[in-house]
Amino acid sequence: GIQVEQSPPDLILQEGANSTLRCNFSDSVNNLQWFHQNPWGQLINLFYIPSGTKQNGRLSATTVATERYSLLYISSSQTTDSGVYFCEVSGSRLTFGEGTQLTVNP
Amino acid sequence: GAGVSQSPSNKVTEKGKDVELRCDPISGHTALYWYRQSLGQGLEFLIYFQGNSAPDKSGLPSDRFSAERTGGSVSTLTIQRTQQEDSAVYLCASSILGQEQFFGPGTRLTVL
Repeated sequence: GIQVEQSPPDLILQEGANSTLRCNFSDSVNNLQWFHQNPWGQLINLFYIPSGTKQNGRLSATTVATERYSLLYISSSQTTDSGVYFCEVSGSRLTFGEGTQLTVNP
Repeated sequence: GAGVSQSPSNKVTEKGKDVELRCDPISGHTALYWYRQSLGQGLEFLIYFQGNSAPDKSGLPSDRFSAERTGGSVSTLTIQRTQQEDSAVYLCASSILGQEQFFGPGTRLTVL
């Protein structure tokens, strides 16, 4: 099956810093989504981005399908950005990466 | 409008018992997904329903797991003869075909 790798596995930032999270996948995919799982476990859809670039406030994402990766950018991070960020791809099967645990300290 | 709802929010059961977990998707969403998330882990795909098509059951870990979706709306995930390794948060999501998924709050299952 398709392999999804996210990096880094853990990231600690000071409030106000910028960061880039990466999602690599091993095969062609039809769809790709980025999610934020808050400390209470709720998964929130951030971007539905099979290709191209999207922006929503301080967050933006870029997927380069031909090179099999996607990037999530977080600018001016806030403590409320803390949590786990997952990418999910839809190929032969729906597959989540293992996530990036982000901690933003005040 | 209402989001995806799941019930119960928490379920504690004894090893060997059967459990049923319920998911109410967003009205009009034709696709429904079940996942499970073990403590500190990523999400594991279980099963996918799309409209009247045969479900994709490729993620179900054993024949003790089954799911149905009645009337194209509500779905029930059933785990028979529960084992301790079944303990996890079971998450349901729904979507319009090919569009972004919306997740419910999950059911935390604990098998003693």
